[in-house]
Amino acid sequence: AQSVTQLDSQVPVFEEAPVELRCNYSSSVSVYLFWYVQYPNQGLQLLLKYLSGSTLVKGINGFEAEFNKSQTSFHLRKPSVHISDTAEYFCAVSDRKAGNMLTFGGGTRLMVKP
Amino acid sequence: SQTIHQWPATLVQPVGSPLSLECTVEGTSNPNLYWYRQAAGRGLQLLFYSIGIDQISSEVPQNLSASRPQDRQFILSSKKLLLSDSGFYLCAWSGTNTEAFFGQGTRLTVV
Repeated sequence: AQSVTQLDSQVPVFEEAPVELRCNYSSSVSVYLFWYVQYPNQGLQLLLKYLSGSTLVKGINGFEAEFNKSQTSFHLRKPSVHISDTAEYFCAVSDRKAGNMLTFGGGTRLMVKP
Repeated sequence: SQTIHQWPATLVQPVGSPLSLECTVEGTSNPNLYWYRQAAGRGLQLLFYSIGIDQISSEVPQNLSASRPQDRQFILSSKKLLLSDSGFYLCAWSGTNTEAFFGQGTRLTVV
């Protein structure tokens, strides 16, 4: 079984400042890792994913994340945020052996202030 | 390309009434299908997943059920809604070793 912990339920940040949203996971097997974004009253949109290879993954909207196996982390970063980045962000893992059933973290609400 | 349709977008139902939410996927065959619920201020909870027609697993005991009458159709149902069934319901699909793709969600309010 896997679990995902997003340490911060809310992250307020000023526009053009850098941001890091933290994600830690636990699993006894190899996993795939994902970050999704959810705008109000909408479904989830994939930001980026780590399947294998380079541990630094670049996604859409200027976001990137780094897989750290020793720390079992997959933190999401953006060097300069915009007002439009205000949304809920979810980290998720899936078990490579059990297909693509995603286990989600509790979500982090990013609030970008002008 | 693949698309996923989920309806209705919003629904207000009285306590004790039945529920039927429908989700269909186009442009792929034999997808894995999922129903998630997102309660207010909380993360996503996996309710059901299906790896094929009439093959459905339930992740949590609850007042809801799911059916998959066709390969690309996934239905979430309830015979009698409870107030606690209110939430945002999301359907998703995935292929082999890929990410999940989500529908736009249904906002269910039980009154």
